[in-house]
Amino acid sequence: AQSVTQPDIHITVSEGASLELRCNYSYGATPYLFWYVQSPGQGLQLLLKYFSGDTLVQGIKGFEAEFKRSQSSFNLRKPSVHWSDAAEYFCAGTNNFNKFYFGSGTKLNVKP
Amino acid sequence: EAQVTQNPRYLITVTGKKLTVTCSQNMNHEYMSWYRQDPGLGLRQIYYSMNVEVTDKGDVPEGYKVSRKEKRNFPLILESPSPNQTSLYFCASSLDRTDTQYFGPGTRLTVL
Repeated sequence: AQSVTQPDIHITVSEGASLELRCNYSYGATPYLFWYVQSPGQGLQLLLKYFSGDTLVQGIKGFEAEFKRSQSSFNLRKPSVHWSDAAEYFCAGTNNFNKFYFGSGTKLNVKP
Repeated sequence: EAQVTQNPRYLITVTGKKLTVTCSQNMNHEYMSWYRQDPGLGLRQIYYSMNVEVTDKGDVPEGYKVSRKEKRNFPLILESPSPNQTSLYFCASSLDRTDTQYFGPGTRLTVL
């Protein structure tokens, strides 16, 4: 069965520190993968996506993610976190662009 | 302004009373989708539509109906709501099924 797993429910980092949010996928074929951010009381906004090609993808707001087929992972990274990055982050995937599967989300807290 | 709108934003109802949540987009998008968001479960896809008159089930379609009579509108219908349908609902649309999905602001539904 297709699925996306985010093993971390909550993460707290200090402002200025680096960030890595984990995402693992389970797909039979090559997946297409996404990271979204949801600020409190808001809808979701796409940060970046991976379809094919270069396995390191750049997104908005200084985020990047690396697709690693050998580890079935698509982890989100940011070198220096800002207080405004506090939000909930969702990894999502599809292999046919009809049905989309989301992870359970990771809530990011940023300490001053 | 390009956007996805949902109405109502908040709704409290009782078991068995039919309701409709409207979703409208002004971007001439072909693909539209409904999701529900529950704590610890992330977003789960209810139904999607690839174009007018073309709809299909997502992961959790039980208890829901949809219709796509016009390109811009994709209402979600709960014929006989039950308390387990209490959730936060998001509508999303994209130019086509491979393009970025834009999410509406959400509808918080409580079924008593």
